[in-house]
Amino acid sequence: DSGVTQTPKHLITATGQRVTLRCSPRSGDLSVYWYQQSLDQGLQFLIQYYNGEERAKGNILERFSAQQFPDLHSELNLSSLELGDSALYFCASSVFDRGNSPLHFGNGTRLTVT
Amino acid sequence: DAKTTQPTSMDCAEGRAANLPCNHSTISGNEYVYWYRQIHSQGPQYIIHGLKNNETNEMASLIITEDRKSSTLILPHATLRDTAVYYCIVRFNNNDMRFGAGTRLTVKP
Repeated sequence: DSGVTQTPKHLITATGQRVTLRCSPRSGDLSVYWYQQSLDQGLQFLIQYYNGEERAKGNILERFSAQQFPDLHSELNLSSLELGDSALYFCASSVFDRGNSPLHFGNGTRLTVT
Repeated sequence: DAKTTQPTSMDCAEGRAANLPCNHSTISGNEYVYWYRQIHSQGPQYIIHGLKNNETNEMASLIITEDRKSSTLILPHATLRDTAVYYCIVRFNNNDMRFGAGTRLTVKP
């Protein structure tokens, strides 16, 4: 158990809808990362937050947004959903202290768009 | 961050050591080498990381060449549960982590 909690585990919704994925980082971790993994693509980095502030952006679509709250949990919002958004969405957290700290991943949310 | 090159797939006999290579010829002095694995559709699992020196933990050993242009992850006694995709990643400080295609390791009885 990595200590990173993602909810829900599974989500089925229709095209055009909006969903929110939630992530609780490990205790003490200040940084949160979001990744997308679809069948035909590998793990794609979406966005990183550190202590509530956006730190880095990857291939995140404009229809997607995220935030990190004062209690350090994070939410990924996906709107105007398309069939191609069906994927596993992973959250990871790290301490983000000096030097290099590993990312620890949750077990993901499986999103199915029908 | 530097790019990495890994074999697409490898096989290993159960009980034998699995040696997974990774090339990172453009690595810079401050970039760390990380290894993760992903079993089926679970979240990637952290294995080990290092900068220059060889590292060992309860899961694996990481051997980094002196010029740091390549590394090898060693699973000393592979079991069937080690069957997974293994990712070698080069990362600068606490930047985000970018995953490549990895090596699909199959441990056979």
